[in-house]
Amino acid sequence: QVQLVESGGGVVQPGGSLRLSCAASGFTFSSNDMHWVRQAPGKGLEWVTFTRYDGTNLYYADSVKGRFTIYRDNSKNTLYLQMNSLRADDTAVYYCAKDQSIRGSWPGPLEYWGQGTLVTVSS
Amino acid sequence: EIVLTQSPATLSLSPGERATLSCRASQSVGSLLAWYQQKPGQAPRLLIYDASNRATGIPARFSGSGSGTDFTLTISSLEPEDFAVYYCQQRSRWPLTFGGGTKVEIK
Repeated sequence: QVQLVESGGGVVQPGGSLRLSCAASGFTFSSNDMHWVRQAPGKGLEWVTFTRYDGTNLYYADSVKGRFTIYRDNSKNTLYLQMNSLRADDTAVYYCAKDQSIRGSWPGPLEYWGQGTLVTVSS
Repeated sequence: EIVLTQSPATLSLSPGERATLSCRASQSVGSLLAWYQQKPGQAPRLLIYDASNRATGIPARFSGSGSGTDFTLTISSLEPEDFAVYYCQQRSRWPLTFGGGTKVEIK
């Protein structure tokens, strides 16, 4: 079955950096587009970033553009999110999600989600 | 950016009742709208995609309708496990966006 396991969350000071990982299994990772979505404590869902199956066509929310970078290692079935210049409003649970689309031309719905990893930005 | 407005914010109903949730888009998204369910402490789960298609394993009591700017998620008869928060999401244009959510609570 599809499994997505996020790791790398923790407490970081404002201005600091953190790298999140998402280990994927149970499907052909190299054929699926992937997303990161976050949820601040007690708030709704916010889409963060997207990568196509081959690591191209990257898209970002304006709130993280220039600070966050999504990338993937298809040989390791792992998705990453490099977060720099972190701010207090980046505090959230970060979910990786598998897109339903397989080598498609447009993102599909977010079919499967990991359990998330909590990032807290605080001094 | 496409803004999705969900209403009501909270829906108080009893088990067995019908739930009708609304999602309105600030501009047309065609049929590229999905619905997700989230329970406390859990990740979201895809319920409906492309406005009206049930995702794998989703019970038939969940149905979606609409196109363009107005969409509805209907739960025909609430089961105890259906009390949760529901989000709509569009994939018509970048950036992808979610609605603010509707909480379905036990009356």
